Amino acid sequence: GQQVMQIPQYQHVQEGEDFTTYCNSSTTLSNIQWYKQRPGGHPVFLIQLVKSGEVKKQKRLTFQFGEAKKNSSLHITATQTTDVGTYFCAGYPGNQFYFGTGTSLTVIP
Amino acid sequence: EAGVAQSPRYKIIEKRQSVAFWCNPISGHATLYWYQQILGQGPKLLIQFQNNGVVDDSQLPKDRFSAERLKGVDSTLKIQPAKLEDSAVYLCASSLDRGGTDTQYFGPGTRLTVL
Repeated sequence: GQQVMQIPQYQHVQEGEDFTTYCNSSTTLSNIQWYKQRPGGHPVFLIQLVKSGEVKKQKRLTFQFGEAKKNSSLHITATQTTDVGTYFCAGYPGNQFYFGTGTSLTVIP
Repeated sequence: EAGVAQSPRYKIIEKRQSVAFWCNPISGHATLYWYQQILGQGPKLLIQFQNNGVVDDSQLPKDRFSAERLKGVDSTLKIQPAKLEDSAVYLCASSLDRGGTDTQYFGPGTRLTVL
């Protein structure tokens, strides 16, 4: 079964609203990476979190790694139309590298 | 620096035919990955090479899929024979070292349609 789950699967927001996607693993992750994939494009690396409880920020994006290293979140403040795409978390819940199921973000202007 | 190159960008074949995809990673990147991304899903790792050795091929359907990276640089992924459910985008990625700690850089992908 799927090792790394993300919720929600889809999210529609009005431009300017905030957005959060959650990533959950069945087992502990050594680290977690986040990627963004624009419609018709390929995944592009955003960030990597390694430490338990780590929080990193990139402008309007805030990434958090859970204390137990089994979950992570990505929060976007005041979404813009350029934020449209699918956001994937990815990591090693075991010996194999898995991408999460992804959250597709639509921003309504 | 040049990115990950893949060819062809698009391929349409009939079921039971064979197809091959090519990937040239970023220069100096030791690790190369092939992913299958079915529409609406996340990429699924098929095979991971470090230099010319296989690190993980546990999710590669070995009865029909094969991949090689003979000189530790570029790589080919082959499907023989193709099935309808193989329709997907095949993504190649590379990283400097083992992907668990390194950024993966993705190529544009090859969109395969099996009729």
